[in-house]
Amino acid sequence: EAQVTQNPRYLITVTGKKLTVTCSQNMNHEYMSWYRQDPGLGLRQIYYSMNVEVTDKGDVPEGYKVSRKEKRNFPLILESPSPNQTSLYFCASEPSGNTGELFFGEGSRLTVL
Amino acid sequence: DQQVKQNSPSLSVQEGRISILNCDYTNSMFDYFLWYKKYPAEGPTFLISISSIKDKNEDGRFTVFLNKSAKHLSLHIVPSQPGDSAVYFCAASAFQGAQKLVFGQGTRLTINP
Repeated sequence: EAQVTQNPRYLITVTGKKLTVTCSQNMNHEYMSWYRQDPGLGLRQIYYSMNVEVTDKGDVPEGYKVSRKEKRNFPLILESPSPNQTSLYFCASEPSGNTGELFFGEGSRLTVL
Repeated sequence: DQQVKQNSPSLSVQEGRISILNCDYTNSMFDYFLWYKKYPAEGPTFLISISSIKDKNEDGRFTVFLNKSAKHLSLHIVPSQPGDSAVYFCAASAFQGAQKLVFGQGTRLTINP
C-alpha cells in the first residue's frame, strides 16, 4: 500500500530535549516536505526536499533541522524544542511532475512542556 | 501575511444541498490552485485542482471555480453527503508544483442529515 509513515504519532516532551520525528514514503517520490498545522493558521511549510541531499527552507524553518540521506526518508529534527513548537506536524511527498498533489502522512502531535 | 485566506472557519449544510467553500488569495503570481480534504486524525488528501488558464474544473460532485480578477476560488459540492464532513484547505502555488505551496486556514464543513 502506497503510504507516508510518520513516527511517533503522539509525543509529549520537555523544553530542550532533542527529538526526531521520522518520515518514510514507499512511493519512490523525489519531493518531500514537512508542514505544521496550528489553529487559525492552516498548514505552514517548515522544510522541503527536492531530492536526496537537496533541502531548502519553507516559511517557518526556525528551530528545525532536516536531512535527506535516502530518497524514502526525511526526518524532522528539533534540537532544542520549545513550547511554541507544540503543534500537529505532517510529512508529505509528491511524485515527480510537479503536480502539487501531495500525499500526506497521518500526522504527529507534539506537545512541548 | 496570509497570502491564502479562507474567511469562514466553519460551514453547516443540509444533506443533499450544495456546499460552497470560498478562498481568497493576494499573490497575483499564484497560477495553480488545489483543494485538500482532511478528516480527524488523518492527513489531508488531495481533492481537486485548477490551473490559472481555466476558470472551472469538475470531478464528479466537486467543482472548483476560479475568478482571477477577483483573486477568488470556490469549491462546490453537489449534492452534499454526510461523508463530506471534514476540514477543507485551499492551497496555491506560483508554479505548478508543491515546492512553495501556500495553504489557507481551513474551513470545517459539517453536513447535517
